[in-house]
Amino acid sequence: GAGVSQSPSNKVTEKGKDVELRCDPISGHTALYWYRQSLGQGLEFLIYFQGNSAPDKSGLPSDRFSAERTGGSVSTLTIQRTQQEDSAVYLCASSPTGIAFETQYFGPGTRLLVL
Amino acid sequence: GQQVMQIPQYQHVQEGEDFTTYCNSSTTLSNIQWYKQRPGGHPVFLIQLVKSGEVKKQKRLTFQFGEAKKNSSLHITATQTTDVGTYFCAGPGDSSYKLIFGSGTRLLVRP
Repeated sequence: GAGVSQSPSNKVTEKGKDVELRCDPISGHTALYWYRQSLGQGLEFLIYFQGNSAPDKSGLPSDRFSAERTGGSVSTLTIQRTQQEDSAVYLCASSPTGIAFETQYFGPGTRLLVL
Repeated sequence: GQQVMQIPQYQHVQEGEDFTTYCNSSTTLSNIQWYKQRPGGHPVFLIQLVKSGEVKKQKRLTFQFGEAKKNSSLHITATQTTDVGTYFCAGPGDSSYKLIFGSGTRLLVRP
């Protein structure tokens, strides 16, 4: 596609529910990143994918958070038993091969609100 | 672990005034990138600096990479309301794939 897309753009859920956030990276990009951005804050790294594997999951805040990537393309970030502190914007980015010299292309984000 | 710090956290200027944000790393960086995030938007790549002492310009924006490759700055001359947003610097982490983003500087411009 022309850019990174994410869905849904907004999600309101009740505490305790599970949510799935989707990222569709730029076609051909092997590297995919998930970040979390709380209101007015910086970017918190969550997880990195190279192809379908996730060599770095070090940023996932708890075992309620998981992510997968299939076909070297679409990725899904799942948050189980959501808590109010999970409310944030979840950003996905992709880059061609994943080396840190490369530009990361960000999607528009999913704004998650947990009531 | 490696840290990338940015100052100031906020800057509120009158349109036409200059603006500078500073980025400091705890370790030497092989390169540094700058991103801009408009209010309600997502980070968008602005530029990458690679060489020690490098200076690059984009219209009213001037980017510098320090001689020791541990700090960088972004200077905007004669700010305009279109410059409003948060500016992030980012440098490679202790792995080959991870970018460490600074905390960002939020720029507000009074018309």
